[in-house]
Amino acid sequence: DTGVSQDPRHKITKRGQNVTFRCDPISEHNRLYWYRQTLGQGPEFLTYFQNEAQLEKSRLLSDRFSAERPKGSFSTLEIQRTEQGDSAMYLCASSLQAPWWFYNEQFFGPGTRLTVL
Amino acid sequence: ILNVEQSPQSLHVQEGDSTNFTCSFPSSNFYALHWYRWETAKSPEALFVMTLNGDEKKKGRISATLNTKEGYSYLYIKGSQPEDSATYLCAFTGFQKLVFGTGTRLLVSP
Repeated sequence: DTGVSQDPRHKITKRGQNVTFRCDPISEHNRLYWYRQTLGQGPEFLTYFQNEAQLEKSRLLSDRFSAERPKGSFSTLEIQRTEQGDSAMYLCASSLQAPWWFYNEQFFGPGTRLTVL
Repeated sequence: ILNVEQSPQSLHVQEGDSTNFTCSFPSSNFYALHWYRWETAKSPEALFVMTLNGDEKKKGRISATLNTKEGYSYLYIKGSQPEDSATYLCAFTGFQKLVFGTGTRLLVSP
């Protein structure tokens, strides 16, 4: 399967614990995005990388959240000191780079569902 | 702040019914409008990417139209089947990232 993969698919943790999610993009895609979907909402942008550089972070990404893409391939999203409000579906997407005046089609993984007890 | 709205929030139809959903988006600084289908436990799947005012796209029984001047898009499903049951998301391209609506959850009963 050459699509976007995410691991784990489900994570249950206790409040205050740290969690880390992994995303493996489509191999030739140099852009990687993280989105979060909470109950009743559409996915919301968190951050994106071009190769290993993190180019934009949403205000939704508090100091407890950190994302990395060390070699420009897979990415990790870590949440420290989890809170119940962090419970959500975390989606990863990847794309090829596109000019600023054009769109870039993003391909999504199946998501990691986080439940914080 | 970019705001994308979808209606209805949910829809329950019988097999064979035709249905349509609406997506409203900002009409200024338009790049593209995306429609995704998201089935439970699967990845969101791209249905259409639409860029030009008046665009109409079709994929099997599903079609979509785009009006960038007034800021709306319609998604139509002709002769709904149970396998069409999913959440349908529209997303506006807002400078390198997607801005999603809340989705329309469709349930098609046999």
